[in-house]
Amino acid sequence: QVQLVQSGAEVKKPGASVKVSCKTSGYTFVSYGISWVRQAPGQGLEWMGWMSAYNGNTNYAQKFQGRVTMTTNTSTSTAYMELRSLRSDDTAVYYCARDLKAWNTLIQGAYWGQGTLVTVSS
Amino acid sequence: EIVLTQSPGTLSVSPGERATLSCRASQSVSGNYLTWFQQKPGQAPRLLIFGASSRATGIPERFSGSGSGTDFTLTISKLEPEDFAVYYCQQCGTSPRTFGQGTKVEIK
Repeated sequence: QVQLVQSGAEVKKPGASVKVSCKTSGYTFVSYGISWVRQAPGQGLEWMGWMSAYNGNTNYAQKFQGRVTMTTNTSTSTAYMELRSLRSDDTAVYYCARDLKAWNTLIQGAYWGQGTLVTVSS
Repeated sequence: EIVLTQSPGTLSVSPGERATLSCRASQSVSGNYLTWFQQKPGQAPRLLIFGASSRATGIPERFSGSGSGTDFTLTISKLEPEDFAVYYCQQCGTSPRTFGQGTKVEIK
């Protein structure tokens, strides 16, 4: 079965960086895109961006351009999201999610990781 | 960017009743690539409806989606206890892929 397992909770100071991993299994990794979504405490969902696991193409929300990098390691079927210059309002649960259909970015969020809480505090 | 506005913010419904949730886009959603998710406290979102009206695998028939262009609706025909949750719409036709702010369905 399809599984996405994310790395554990992180506590970071303002200005630092965080790198969250999303290890996948149960499907052909390179055939599906991965998106990243975050959710601040008590708030709604915010789309951060998407990455093709096949060729590394990315599509970032403008809000995060210059601060976020999404990468993959095809040998371990793992996706990564790095966010730099952290601020207190980056405190959130960060989710990875797989596209529904292979080679089709138009339906995202079919399978989700369990979420990773990133806390930014001095 | 396309802004999705969901209404109402909170919907109070009794079990067994019908719930109708709205998602309105600031401009037409390309290809009607409108997705609905359900999220329960402490859990990741769950895909319910994609392409405005197609149920995802394993989603009960009481969930249905409709609409096109800028106006979309999620209907839950007879609310079961496990349906009380927050529901989000998302458009994937245009980048950035934006979410609505959510509708909380609570027990009346």
